[in-house]
Parts: sequence; C-alpha cells; structure tokens
Amino acid sequence: AQSVTQLGSHVSVSEGALVLLRCNYSSSVPPYLFWYVQYPNQGLQLLLKYTTGATLVKGINGFEAEFKKSETSFHLTKPSAHMSDAAEYFCAVSGSGGSYIPTFGRGTSLIVHP
Amino acid sequence: DAGVIQSPRHEVTEMGQEVTLRCKPISGHNSLFWYRQTMMRGLELLIYFNNNVPIDDSGMPEDRFSAKMPNASFSTLKIQPSEPRDSAVYFCASRAAGRLYNSPLHFGNGTRLTVT
Repeated sequence: AQSVTQLGSHVSVSEGALVLLRCNYSSSVPPYLFWYVQYPNQGLQLLLKYTTGATLVKGINGFEAEFKKSETSFHLTKPSAHMSDAAEYFCAVSGSGGSYIPTFGRGTSLIVHP
Repeated sequence: DAGVIQSPRHEVTEMGQEVTLRCKPISGHNSLFWYRQTMMRGLELLIYFNNNVPIDDSGMPEDRFSAKMPNASFSTLKIQPSEPRDSAVYFCASRAAGRLYNSPLHFGNGTRLTVT
C-alpha cells in the first residue's frame, strides 16, 4: 500500500522568506509524485509532478520539488514567498504496487505574513 | 479546454431530501473520480470510474450514496436520504487516458453541500 505524510498542517512564513513544505511517502519503486495547490473556493490544481528522469522538478509559480529516494521524500520549496502563495498544498503519490488511484496527503496550509 | 465542470456550486437542503451532484469531465479523459473534502477527514476518495465503469467504490460511505456514469461526458453522485453529516465539499476530477500512474488529475471547482 502507498501512503503520504505531510509534516505540519500549517506553515507560516513572512513574505520574501523561503517556503519549505514537507512530504514523505511510502511506496515501492517507482512512485509517481505530485504536488497540488488549492486556493479558497477552488479545486486542486497541479503544481508539479515527478515521474522519471531528473529528480529536481520545476513547477508553476516558482515552486520546485526534489525527489530523494533514499529519504522517501518529495519536499516542495520556493525561494521567496509571495502573498499570493497563501493556499492549501497537497502531496500525492501513485503507481506503487500497481495502484492507479493516487493517494493524497492531509494537506498543508501555507500562511504568508506581510 | 473548459476544464471539469461541476454543478451546482452550492446546494443547501434539508435532512432527508435527495441530492444530486453533477460532473462533466474534460473531453477525452477516460478516468473520473469523486472526492469529498471536510476539515475533519481531509480529501476522501468516494469512487473511481475508468471508461465509464466503476472500478473502486470502497470509499462510498454507505448505501445512501450512489454514483453513475452513463457516458463519457457525464457523471452523477446522489445522496438519498441526505443527513447533516454529509455536509462537505464534493469534488469531481478527471484524468487523461494513457499511462494511468503518472497522469495528473484535473479537478472541478466543487459543490459545497450543506444539509440542515
């Protein structure tokens, strides 16, 4: 079975500060990993995904994530937070053990202070 | 690309009434998912269709919930009778055909259901 753990239900940063949202997964090889963002009153939107190849993946809005197999992690980062980044972020995994149904984490709410 | 379309955006109903939520997936997508989102439980998968056939409905809470996909462009989620604990935001998502494991989901904007 596959699972996702997002450490911290809330992360608070100041505008301009580094954003780090943590995601750890359990899965057999190879996992396919995703980050989604949800703005208020909207559905989830794909931010970035890792399938194969380069382990550092760049997404929209300046976000990137690095797949680290040895640490079973896929943390999301952005060098400088903007107020508009305030949203809920979800990590998801699929493909493990033949599962074609993605498993989502509980989400992390990013709060950006001026 | 019009995206995944859900209707209605908001639904307020009284306990015991029937509720029908509707979803139009993105044209050409062959997988469809229904999710429920609450503060307490987060995002829960209710049912998954592939090529209009229900593949996994283990997340459907109880017999009061039913879902259909009569064709590739339409799906419904019905609750009968509704109860206050069904209050949540219900999302529909579709996924393109191809390699199932690595295609992302495309979500609609959800239906916010309130049962009083």
